[in-house]
Amino acid sequence: GDSVTQMEGPVTLSEEAFLTINCTYTATGYPSLFWYVQYPGEGLQLLLKATKADDKGSNKGFEATYRKETTSFHLEKGSVQVSDSAVYFCALSDQSGAGSYQLTFGKGTKLSVIP
Amino acid sequence: DTGVSQDPRHKITKRGQNVTFRCDPISEHNRLYWYRQTLGQGPEFLTYFQNEAQLEKSRLLSDRFSAERPKGSFSTLEIQRTEQGDSAMYLCASSVDGLSPLHFGNGTRLTVT
Repeated sequence: GDSVTQMEGPVTLSEEAFLTINCTYTATGYPSLFWYVQYPGEGLQLLLKATKADDKGSNKGFEATYRKETTSFHLEKGSVQVSDSAVYFCALSDQSGAGSYQLTFGKGTKLSVIP
Repeated sequence: DTGVSQDPRHKITKRGQNVTFRCDPISEHNRLYWYRQTLGQGPEFLTYFQNEAQLEKSRLLSDRFSAERPKGSFSTLEIQRTEQGDSAMYLCASSVDGLSPLHFGNGTRLTVT
């Protein structure tokens, strides 16, 4: 079945440091890939997505490129801020026969950014 | 856009009791999803509705679980004869259609004692 593996946290960085959170996936078809973010006390929010190979998703300074050859979708940001402290989830959607847009999530990576 | 609303935010119940959660999706969103998230894990798919029709159920959804969306608007998730293993965050999400991103609510945290 489909699965998502992301680097385990927690990750602690100083403000303005470079961020990479690794994500690899296993899927039978051609999935769409997502990063969701969960800020403390809030619900999951879509951060960015990519729907086909070599697509780059970007939002709020975060980027991730859909790499089919390495089945990866690593999240990067050049300079993190304290406000980026959150839990980040990598996810894929490999549409079932009913087109459910069902998401398979990784376990999440908690990021803490210190001033 | 008021977002996806879930009620209650927290529920503590004793083992063997029944509980019911409610989800109000974003207005005019046809798709409604239920997920479960346990500590240290990502959300796991439970079931989804297209309008009032329940179109898919995960193997995780045992016979003690039932979900409804009677008028294609709000949805309820009921757990009968709760067990300690049911303790988790129950997330609801909605989307315009099957190709649009999901919008998640803040979840209902269930604790079974």
